Amino acid sequence: GAGVSQSPRYKVAKRGQDVALRCDPISGHVSLFWYQQALGQGPEFLTYFQNEAQLDKSGLPSDRFFAERPEGSVSTLKIQRTQQEDSAVYLCASSADRGLIGTEAFFGQGTRLTVV
Amino acid sequence: AQSVTQPDIHITVSEGASLELRCNYSYGATPYLFWYVQSPGQGLQLLLKYFSGDTLVQGIKGFEAEFKRSQSSFNLRKPSVHWSDAAEYFCAVGFQKLVFGTGTRLLVSP
Repeated sequence: GAGVSQSPRYKVAKRGQDVALRCDPISGHVSLFWYQQALGQGPEFLTYFQNEAQLDKSGLPSDRFFAERPEGSVSTLKIQRTQQEDSAVYLCASSADRGLIGTEAFFGQGTRLTVV
Repeated sequence: AQSVTQPDIHITVSEGASLELRCNYSYGATPYLFWYVQSPGQGLQLLLKYFSGDTLVQGIKGFEAEFKRSQSSFNLRKPSVHWSDAAEYFCAVGFQKLVFGTGTRLLVSP
């Protein structure tokens, strides 16, 4: 596709439910990032993939959060036993190179997760 | 610790007036610097970026930003604001993962 695609756009989960959020990056992009954006805040880094390798997961807030990119393209962010504080917009971004020099990160529209 | 400060939560500017959005950062070295814009329901769109070289950077939609190392600042400017510029603006720094500020919401009055 022309841009980064995320699905679903909106997700309502009952507290304790598991959710899976999908990101389709721009074709051929090496790097993929997940960010969490709480209401009224800037995005906060969750995790980073270079191809299928998860090189940085320092931003994942707890072991309930898990991300994968098994074939180096589509990525899934999974949240187990959701809690109300997980309510946020989850943004995915991809870039063509390993870092950001000479390139840029393109963001998807995000998945808005509401935990009730 | 790495951080970005955008001291203005909201700014209201009259259409046609000039705009300056402030951004200060704290980082171990001079990072790459970015400004993004986010419209309601939309993803983040890159306005401009600074890697090295000329400290005055031109971006899309008539925006520019100036990197001042001595002040650890990267303020965004536009000489004449249009109503369509109303949005949330984020300053960000980093080399791979980005650290974002909390954003400045720009309102444009007629």
